[in-house]
Amino acid sequence: QQQVKQSPQSLIVQKGGISIINCAYENTAFDYFPWYQQFPGKGPALLIAIRPDVSEKKEGRFTISFNKSAKQFSLHIMDSQPGDSATYFCAPNFVFGPGTRLSVLP
Amino acid sequence: DAMVIQNPRYQVTQFGKPVTLSCSQTLNHNVMYWYQQKSSQAPKLLFHYYDKDFNNEADTPDNFQSRRPNTSFCFLDIRSPGLGDAAMYLCATSRDRASQVNEQFFGPGTRLTVL
Repeated sequence: QQQVKQSPQSLIVQKGGISIINCAYENTAFDYFPWYQQFPGKGPALLIAIRPDVSEKKEGRFTISFNKSAKQFSLHIMDSQPGDSATYFCAPNFVFGPGTRLSVLP
Repeated sequence: DAMVIQNPRYQVTQFGKPVTLSCSQTLNHNVMYWYQQKSSQAPKLLFHYYDKDFNNEADTPDNFQSRRPNTSFCFLDIRSPGLGDAAMYLCATSRDRASQVNEQFFGPGTRLTVL
């Protein structure tokens, strides 16, 4: 019930492109859906989060989309930049997915 | 301003020698968490405190203990570190439990090396 899956495991995107990372969960009791960004040697930092009563939330270049019936939510990074290169974790109700390593090529 | 502080940032210990990692917070949050993160893996929750109420994850080894003497401080004690315990240890806080839709704030982590 606690399993959280992410895809893809790694992602390479050209500068200016769109990065899309998906998260699937099993526990229907989850009610908090964040994405964390982690740089090497640093702790994770909250990037964007959504509540289950909203289907989409946008903050700058980052958009989170939520599909409650499918038990999935995704992160879209528009106009990806080399500085976005990091590992991204979904963590519904603080249960972390395995992470996606994003590399944005200049 | 640092909100979740971890000391030390790097800790080297010997196999079997007890070690204590420290976490403090200036947010006055009710919940404090300890995670273990090994290289290229997700953070793994070891336990958390909701105020003084200790909550251990089922698969956390007995070798790991924690203390929370007051709201601001939380300690992770590793009684007999093994080579497999070498990892980054992350402390985090949140105002309330995850079900209340709270942001979780992470410290910078302590990297533990076991020789």
